[in-house]
Amino acid sequence: GESVGLHLPTLSVQEGDNSIINCAYSNSASDYFIWYKQESGKGPQFIIDIRSNMDKRQGQRVTVLLNKTVKHLSLQIAATQPGDSAVYFCAGVDSWGKLQFGAGTQVVVTP
Amino acid sequence: ETGVTQTPRHLVMGMTNKKSLKCEQHLGHNAMYWYKQSAKKPLELMFVYNFKEQTENNSVPSRFSPECPNSSHLFLHLHTLQPEDSALYLCASSQEGRNHNEQFFGPGTRLTVL
Repeated sequence: GESVGLHLPTLSVQEGDNSIINCAYSNSASDYFIWYKQESGKGPQFIIDIRSNMDKRQGQRVTVLLNKTVKHLSLQIAATQPGDSAVYFCAGVDSWGKLQFGAGTQVVVTP
Repeated sequence: ETGVTQTPRHLVMGMTNKKSLKCEQHLGHNAMYWYKQSAKKPLELMFVYNFKEQTENNSVPSRFSPECPNSSHLFLHLHTLQPEDSALYLCASSQEGRNHNEQFFGPGTRLTVL
């Protein structure tokens, strides 16, 4: 089965710097990948997704990179703000539409 | 607000109690999900309902009993739970048949079993 996991459990970033959150997966059968953000006391919130036939996708202040060769994807947040403090999850979606989540990375933005 | 609401937000119950969690989605979606989120673990999919029919049960113990009376409402009935069932229970909904399966999550119910 698919396994999606994150390299670092906690990432401390200074306000204004760029953040990079990494995610590795073991099964290449995913049709696409999604990044979710979960703030304290809230449910996960969709940030951005990327299809498996793409290498890069950009959103507002966020960029997701997909490297299928090494089965790795990353989420880059530009000019990190205090409101970006949250847990970030990657999820792989298989052809049945089933999501498999990683454990999450806690991003802490320091002033 | 994501359009998915859950009540109660917090619940403390004893192992002999019976309680229910409620989820309601206002997005017109036709699929709803229950997830369990424990500390430092990936979200665990528990149940999936498509058009009110249960399509997936991920080997969840029978002390958790889902109910989906219509495509907008989803319940999770709890009875004789164990302390290890303490977790955040998340409900989500999505529109099946689209090109991608973006799930919208509710805020969750924080459950503590004593």
